Amino acid sequence: DTGVSQDPRHKITKRGQNVTFRCDPISEHNRLYWYRQTLGQGPEFLTYFQNEAQLEKSRLLSDRFSAERPKGSFSTLEIQRTEQGDSAMYLCASSPGRGWGTEAFFGQGTRLTVV
Amino acid sequence: AQTVTQSQPEMSVQEAETVTLSCTYDTSESDYYLFWYKQPPSRQMILVIRQEAYKQQNATENRFSVNFQKAAKSFSLKISDSQLGDAAMYFCAYRGEGNTPLVFGKGTRLSVIA
Repeated sequence: DTGVSQDPRHKITKRGQNVTFRCDPISEHNRLYWYRQTLGQGPEFLTYFQNEAQLEKSRLLSDRFSAERPKGSFSTLEIQRTEQGDSAMYLCASSPGRGWGTEAFFGQGTRLTVV
Repeated sequence: AQTVTQSQPEMSVQEAETVTLSCTYDTSESDYYLFWYKQPPSRQMILVIRQEAYKQQNATENRFSVNFQKAAKSFSLKISDSQLGDAAMYFCAYRGEGNTPLVFGKGTRLSVIA
């Protein structure tokens, strides 16, 4: 198992364009989380899935953001009409469904720069 | 809503010395987990240590230990015999009941001086 994988690692886009990020969790982890991290800050929760069901969305997740996990495996996070304020590191994490004290395993993140 | 506060944006320690990173949190829940995560530069976040709230005994993992004060809602991390590889951002995080998403503090940047 290679851990949580995120693609791409870096993305530069022009304001107004749409972008999509992919996260492949550790296999058999049925919980998947998306976080956003800006420079000098801790990760902020965006949304999470249990299997294919999206269970919670943060107020940070505006209408321009959408996330899917169609078959309960990989997930995508799409940002439409990007704005400069969307520039951040987008982190994905996964954890087993059993036991709520289990750790979340993080990917290396996708760094988005909106110019 | 739960909040996590790390009041030390930056800390430094001499190699082989001991350093303590502070974390306080606010919650009305009686059972929860607390975590310390390490984020090295340009690398993914990894778990350092975790503590379940109803366990009295402080968690220890090799050179890393915590001082968990439930009544004071305090959860500090002590790193003993600091090594150059310990240099990183350290995040304190809270998870409430039911495998809810982690709530993170703003982090402490630790520098280790050779």
